[in-house]
Amino acid sequence: NAGVTQTPKFQVLKTGQSMTLQCAQDMNHEYMSWYRQDPGMGLRLIHYSVGAGITDQGEVPNGYNVSRSTTEDFPLRLLSAAPSQTSVYFCASSYSKAAGDSNQPQHFGDGTRLSIL
Amino acid sequence: AQKITQTQPGMFVQEKEAVTLDCTYDTSDPSYGLFWYKQPSSGEMIFLIYQGSYDQQNATEGRYSLNFQKARKSANLVISASQLGDSAMYFCAMREVSSNTGKLIFGQGTTLQVKP
Repeated sequence: NAGVTQTPKFQVLKTGQSMTLQCAQDMNHEYMSWYRQDPGMGLRLIHYSVGAGITDQGEVPNGYNVSRSTTEDFPLRLLSAAPSQTSVYFCASSYSKAAGDSNQPQHFGDGTRLSIL
Repeated sequence: AQKITQTQPGMFVQEKEAVTLDCTYDTSDPSYGLFWYKQPSSGEMIFLIYQGSYDQQNATEGRYSLNFQKARKSANLVISASQLGDSAMYFCAMREVSSNTGKLIFGQGTTLQVKP
């Protein structure tokens, strides 16, 4: 009963380093997304995908890349880490085949706490 | 303009009592979904309950119910018979069909503390 799995749970990086946050789901969900959670700002959408080979930008995409080569995996890449990217990152997935489906709850991973020094 | 408003930053409730967490929303899309999530201190986001804009009845899931008042654009979460394990941050969120991104728009959250 894994659901959405995120790795690592914690990470500390130096400014300018790159890294990949991993996200995998075993529910055969078409829709996957990445959010960041910052104090006082709630969760904001970074990138999303409606299926393998299809990705698009969300609300705050700058500094991040994504790819979706399989239905199960949706990694998030920080190209050159900046202190402003210190945040908690959540991956989420839902069954929706269309991004506009409003009635499918998104299931979240446990989050990755990322600190950029 | 903020689309999801949770006006209660913090709430206290006595164990075994009911509590209502407020949520108002703003949208011009006739088709949308409203969700509540729980975030305990351990940090994960747990889906609690969903209400569709065209649903005629209020959603219920165990001890959780959603008081949906469409004309007032409110979607309050009611937790009955509070338990100590209900202490957490609660987020109201909305998903608009017209956005076509699947984006969940979150409120700022309400911290609930259940007192023994």
